[in-house]
Amino acid sequence: AQSVTQPDIHITVSEGASLELRCNYSYGATPYLFWYVQSPGQGLQLLLKYFSGDTLVQGIKGFEAEFKRSQSSFNLRKPSVHWSDAAEYFCAGNDYKLSFGAGTTVTVRA
Amino acid sequence: NAGVTQTPKFRILKIGQSMTLQCTQDMNHNYMYWYRQDPGMGLKLIYYSVGAGITDKGEVPNGYNVSRSTTEDFPLRLELAAPSQTSVYFCASSYGLAGDVDGELFFGEGSRLTVL
Repeated sequence: AQSVTQPDIHITVSEGASLELRCNYSYGATPYLFWYVQSPGQGLQLLLKYFSGDTLVQGIKGFEAEFKRSQSSFNLRKPSVHWSDAAEYFCAGNDYKLSFGAGTTVTVRA
Repeated sequence: NAGVTQTPKFRILKIGQSMTLQCTQDMNHNYMYWYRQDPGMGLKLIYYSVGAGITDKGEVPNGYNVSRSTTEDFPLRLELAAPSQTSVYFCASSYGLAGDVDGELFFGEGSRLTVL
């Protein structure tokens, strides 16, 4: 069974609108959690990570994510999306090994 | 900084042919990885290395081989290519073990391989 699940395969959002990408994990203990972004034709780049402490973490490019133990979630958010945010986003988690979710493709419409 | 460099970016192979995907990193990272990315499947780990001379299998190693003779280079060898190996391949490196506190992955731009 996948340790990290991204329920949404594809999301379309208007430029300037807010974005939220869902990630659920199924580890028993609190894992280390990550969000990576893959722009078209590029490799993956780390957006942000959560290990412990403050459950709201800030990342690069204006992204943030919130860890919610009660919901086993680590959702990624951005208040106002730019056309350059069109990409594929991967959630990843680590208990004893790193596992990636299947990814969510974000399309930004003008 | 070049970071992680992969070659070639694109390649078409016939069934049964062999090839090597090259990967070089200039960050002096001990850890290096090869992943394959298939639509809707995320990234799957093929092989990884914790340092020169040390390699180990990941989730999907069948049909592949690796070597790590230097810290910088981690080539991936495909022997007897099969259509199931059609995929996008990513090389990555990290200072610490992937997923650990100091294990941020740095990725190459990918190599798209098609086996016909």
